[in-house]
Amino acid sequence: GAVVSQHPSWVICKSGTSVKIECRSLDFQATTMFWYRQFPKQSLMLMATSNEGSKATYEQGVEKDKFLINHASLTLSTLTVTSAHPEDSSFYICSAGLAGLTGELFFGEGSRLTVL
Amino acid sequence: QQQVKQSPQSLIVQKGGISIINCAYENTAFDYFPWYQQFPGKGPALLIAIRPDVSEKKEGRFTISFNKSAKQFSLHIMDSQPGDSATYFCAARVTGGGNKLTFGTGTQLKVEL
Repeated sequence: GAVVSQHPSWVICKSGTSVKIECRSLDFQATTMFWYRQFPKQSLMLMATSNEGSKATYEQGVEKDKFLINHASLTLSTLTVTSAHPEDSSFYICSAGLAGLTGELFFGEGSRLTVL
Repeated sequence: QQQVKQSPQSLIVQKGGISIINCAYENTAFDYFPWYQQFPGKGPALLIAIRPDVSEKKEGRFTISFNKSAKQFSLHIMDSQPGDSATYFCAARVTGGGNKLTFGTGTQLKVEL
């Protein structure tokens, strides 16, 4: 089946620094990718929809200047957490679906961010 | 606003038993209902999905039952195994919303020997 890869799988950074997380669709092209955030024992919260070649669409309450999303190609979307603080520590997960096919989404393995 | 309500929050089942997780939705525009399985520290993986034109779908030990009039759907895991211990999420997709999913709150399943 389709595979979505995330990198890094975990990252520790100091408060105030920026962290970039990559999401790649390995064997298919994705015009749209989604970024989720998940706190321990909680559900996935959609942060934004990443659109290839255009600006990302952010969900209500998500700071676009804090969470920069770039979807430069049909196989790569990046999430940059800028000026990270301890409250940004979370599990970030991306997902993507086949271009032109609605419904089935494939998820990455997730990236655990810890901000000290 | 929680558009997909999931219950129970946690569930303990004996090996070989049946695990049942329920979800209810409000938005009648939802047209695709997947279930995801998530192990600790991993991303969710699609388990099984159903569309509202059928009332049941079975894949191996996993069955989705769908009640369109009641706006409810459930996941049944037959012959539950310890390896099924994970968190399960139901989800729903809005017509015309692309692949944007709304997730339930999750059910932590533990299958005991």
